[in-house]
Amino acid sequence: EAGVTQSPTHLIKTRGQQATLRCSPISGHTSVYWYQQALGLGLQFLLWYDEGEERNRGNFPPRFSGRQFPNYSSELNVNALELEDSALYLCASSPWTGNNEQYFGPGTRLTVT
Amino acid sequence: DAKTTQPPSMDCAEGRAANLPCNHSTISGNEYVYWYRQIHSQGPQYIIHGLKNNETNEMASLIITEDRKSSTLILPHATLRDTAVYYCIVRSRGGYQKVTFGTGTKLQVIP
Repeated sequence: EAGVTQSPTHLIKTRGQQATLRCSPISGHTSVYWYQQALGLGLQFLLWYDEGEERNRGNFPPRFSGRQFPNYSSELNVNALELEDSALYLCASSPWTGNNEQYFGPGTRLTVT
Repeated sequence: DAKTTQPPSMDCAEGRAANLPCNHSTISGNEYVYWYRQIHSQGPQYIIHGLKNNETNEMASLIITEDRKSSTLILPHATLRDTAVYYCIVRSRGGYQKVTFGTGTKLQVIP
């Protein structure tokens, strides 16, 4: 069974640009979660999507947004990039909203210069 | 959300048991304790979770104190591949809250 996949692996952008990160959950999983892991910090919850709807978001500004497609894959968009947005962005999926056993992807390393 | 406290780092000799503590003194009755680990530059991996009873699976054992204010993750025979950052988090099942994983415990398994 294929795990959670994310693309691209690495992304380099300049300040002020927009970044788009993609995630494909494990087949059969309907919930997708996004996290940010800045260097030296723990995982910070960003967004949770389930059945195409945004269910919850963490303490991040509105320039962090995303969506979930009918096939349950998801996209994270970061607008007006700032240097401190440089981080590893992790996507996780779980089978249903009541199951918190999240399975993580390898992440996308975003570098903002 | 209940917050957790973990030591920043620990060493363990290869082949010995690694005991990773976690304090969660503000845990509420419907919150589970979850453990994940993250090997360098990879996504976190689910290890185990529990509510109040001790749990064991093929990866580890989870010991939760009777008052549920703390827990210990036990890797019975640590190998070099167990070197990772271990995260303890607490949250309820059903739905998702704004959970912060914290910085975890960096476990270094020494040959």
